[in-house]
Amino acid sequence: SQQGEEDPQALSIQEGENATMNCSYKTSINNLQWYRQNSGRGLVHLILIRSNEREKHSGRLRVTLDTSKKSSSLLITASRAADTASYFCATASGGSYIPTFGRGTSLIVHP
Amino acid sequence: KAGVTQTPRYLIKTRGQQVTLSCSPISGHRSVSWYQQTPGQGLQFLFEYFSETQRNKGNFPGRFSGRQFSNSRSEMNVSTLELGDSALYLCASSPATTSYNEQFFGPGTRLTVL
Repeated sequence: SQQGEEDPQALSIQEGENATMNCSYKTSINNLQWYRQNSGRGLVHLILIRSNEREKHSGRLRVTLDTSKKSSSLLITASRAADTASYFCATASGGSYIPTFGRGTSLIVHP
Repeated sequence: KAGVTQTPRYLIKTRGQQVTLSCSPISGHRSVSWYQQTPGQGLQFLFEYFSETQRNKGNFPGRFSGRQFSNSRSEMNVSTLELGDSALYLCASSPATTSYNEQFFGPGTRLTVL
């Protein structure tokens, strides 16, 4: 079963707009990661945030983590058509470092 | 460094057959994990190998097996294929030893079972 669940399932925006995706999870985590997957291909690691961190930035990406609400958000600023992909959150919890993936948010950025 | 490579990229089999998929990790990475991705179940963890030993295992039937060689290359085998085994099989490597490190994914093998 999935630990993290992304919301929304699908998101369609215009180039230049910001895109926000959310991830909720059920049990305490060690870390949470976001990955991107272009259509039918492998996943690319975007960012990892540890349970004692609240916010991380990487280029146009901003990730926040609220452990009290068991949720995380991924913000992509000034989106580009090349950002069109599925975005997954993955959590590791307990004594395991194996990430459990959510079902993903499908993002379409229209040029 | 070269990325994670998976062969073959596409495969078509019929029910009852068996299949072997191959994964070459990034040089120096000793951990290799396998995932199955389907539209219905999403990304599900199959197993992880580290130093030729299966270190973690997901909730899949015994028809799914794997192994890792001394050069860290890994293979997974699915016997007695079922229609539901049609999926994208992803391999990921990591330098992980005892704590979590980023996983690097290959492009996947698309398996179709007819």
